[in-house]
Amino acid sequence: QMQLRESGPGLVKPSETLSLTCTVSGGSINSDYWNWIRQSPGTGLEWIGYLHHSGTTNYNPSLESRVTISMDMSRTQFSLRLTSVTAADTAVYYCARRKIDVAGAYYFDYWGQGTLVTVSS
Amino acid sequence: AIQMTQSPSSLSASVGDRVTITCRTSQGVSNDLGWYQQRPGKAPKLLIYGISFLQSGVPSRFSGSGSGTDFTLTISSLQPEDFATYYCLQDNNYPFTFGPGTKLEIK
Repeated sequence: QMQLRESGPGLVKPSETLSLTCTVSGGSINSDYWNWIRQSPGTGLEWIGYLHHSGTTNYNPSLESRVTISMDMSRTQFSLRLTSVTAADTAVYYCARRKIDVAGAYYFDYWGQGTLVTVSS
Repeated sequence: AIQMTQSPSSLSASVGDRVTITCRTSQGVSNDLGWYQQRPGKAPKLLIYGISFLQSGVPSRFSGSGSGTDFTLTISSLQPEDFATYYCLQDNNYPFTFGPGTKLEIK
């Protein structure tokens, strides 16, 4: 059974960089799409972007200038970097796998439990 | 970006009731529409993908339908564990977008 778990600082100062890691157990990043999604009371669920197993990335245009999603060489972890954070980036951050089935339908099946990141001085 | 609306935003119902939640997209999303259930303090859980495919392990009282820009999630007979918030998600166009959610509460 695959499991995903987010880790990283729970508090980041304004203007600094938010860095989170998602550890994948029971599988690897050798296939599928690996996503970051966040949730805050003010903006609901927001897709941040994904890393395809080939190394291709796709980001939400609203965050694209500040976001990087990358893969660890072990291919069991992927990371999120969000630069120049403000209070508006305070949210619960989730990592999730997006997969395609044999019929060509996509779905987000495995999610981490989420980690709260607060931006405050 | 594709805009998503859901109705109702909240709903009170009783165990055994049949409920329907609607999701509307601002443009067509083909069959790339899914439904997720979220309980407080937990991650979203996949219920339905590809408009109508039931995720493995999800009870058959959940079903999805629709086409074009209008989609529905139906719970045929509410169980106590179904009281949660439900979100639709389109992943046909970038950026992927979620609906604002429908909170299902016990009457």
